[in-house]
Amino acid sequence: QLQLQESGPGLVKASETLTLTCTVSGGSVSTYSYYWGWIRQPPGKGLEWIGNILYSGTTYSNPSLNSRVTISVDTSKNHFSLRLSSVTAADSAVYYCARPQSSSWVFDYWGQGTLVTVSS
Amino acid sequence: QSALTQPASVSGSPGQSITISCTGTSSDVGSYNLVSWYQLHPGKTPKVLIFEIRKRPSGVSNRFSGSKSGNTASLTISGLQAEDEADYYCCSYAGSSTVVFGGGTKLTVL
Repeated sequence: QLQLQESGPGLVKASETLTLTCTVSGGSVSTYSYYWGWIRQPPGKGLEWIGNILYSGTTYSNPSLNSRVTISVDTSKNHFSLRLSSVTAADSAVYYCARPQSSSWVFDYWGQGTLVTVSS
Repeated sequence: QSALTQPASVSGSPGQSITISCTGTSSDVGSYNLVSWYQLHPGKTPKVLIFEIRKRPSGVSNRFSGSKSGNTASLTISGLQAEDEADYYCCSYAGSSTVVFGGGTKLTVL
């Protein structure tokens, strides 16, 4: 049974870079064909897909965030990370890491979510 | 990549059935049978209700069902219960290892 857990600062200053890590247990981030993803939900708004990373390190991101998003995987620590640069108040949200199944594209495992607030 | 279109809110009385629509384009919903639905209760982790248009994960009530016609997918909840009051989101594969979510629908059980 996979378990995912987000970690990172709950408060980030505007214009700086938000960095979150998702630690995976019960499985390996380097398992062939596995994808790993990031999703966020701003307060009072809907879910927004941020991006995915394939086990091999290939990344895919939401075109609306593309230039600010970096997703990476660290197989030695069995975790993957999100970096979002030049943050503004609009980036304040609950950030989830999740595992999308590569065949059905359903996010079947989720972290608990972590609230990140961007302060001015 | 635009968000899929869902009604902002729907409501129904206990025992009734409701349907939530999810409209995309020929680049996402219309091209792939890879639409999933999630239930979000405040403060809780999203729960998968439906995947691949109409499949239910083990443990999900058969009161939840999914369908698709053209660029629109739908989630139907039959026999509404108070515990069904939550936010619901659709999500579709959009090609090239990307996905897009709907804007979400708030279900109120009257």
